Amino acid sequence: GDSVTQMEGPVTLSEEAFLTINCTYTATGYPSLFWYVQYPGEGLQLLLKATKADDKGSNKGFEATYRKETTSFHLEKGSVQVSDSAVYFCALISGYQLIWGAGTKLIIKP
Amino acid sequence: DADVTQTPRNRITKTGKRIMLECSQTKGHDRMYWYRQDPGLGLQLIYYSFDVKDINKGEISDGYSVSRQAQAKFSLSLESAIPNQTALYFCATSDQNTDTQYFGPGTRLTVL
Repeated sequence: GDSVTQMEGPVTLSEEAFLTINCTYTATGYPSLFWYVQYPGEGLQLLLKATKADDKGSNKGFEATYRKETTSFHLEKGSVQVSDSAVYFCALISGYQLIWGAGTKLIIKP
Repeated sequence: DADVTQTPRNRITKTGKRIMLECSQTKGHDRMYWYRQDPGLGLQLIYYSFDVKDINKGEISDGYSVSRQAQAKFSLSLESAIPNQTALYFCATSDQNTDTQYFGPGTRLTVL
């Protein structure tokens, strides 16, 4: 079945560092791909999405490109802030159902 | 006001008790979902509903039931709660024309 694998956390960075959180997927066809973010004590928010190969989703300085050849959707940000500390989830849509990665906790130190 | 609301936000209960978690949405979406989140496991789908008369089991429906009282309301029940149902529960909604799901703030349930 379809699945999503993302890098284990926690990932700890200093403020203004470059961020990459790896996400790879296994799926039949070419599903839409998502990054959701969960800030401490809050629910899940859609961060960005891409619906087809080579699409780039972007929001709040974060970017991810749908790479069909490597079945990847890595999340990047050029300069992280303390306020970016959260848990980040990669997901794909399989029919009606979202298939989730386990989440990566990001800790940004001032 | 939030588009997707869940009540209660936190609940502590005892083994064997019946619990109902409620979800309401003002987004006008037809589709609603209940997920469970356990640490390190991402989210797992419990039940989903594509309209008021359509209810479907997800991957982990055992021990749970749902009711879609109206387009805007979708409730999750634990008939006889057990400790391994301790988790964070999320409701989500989506429109039939897009694949993006919108989540409520979650209900933290503890079963003692």
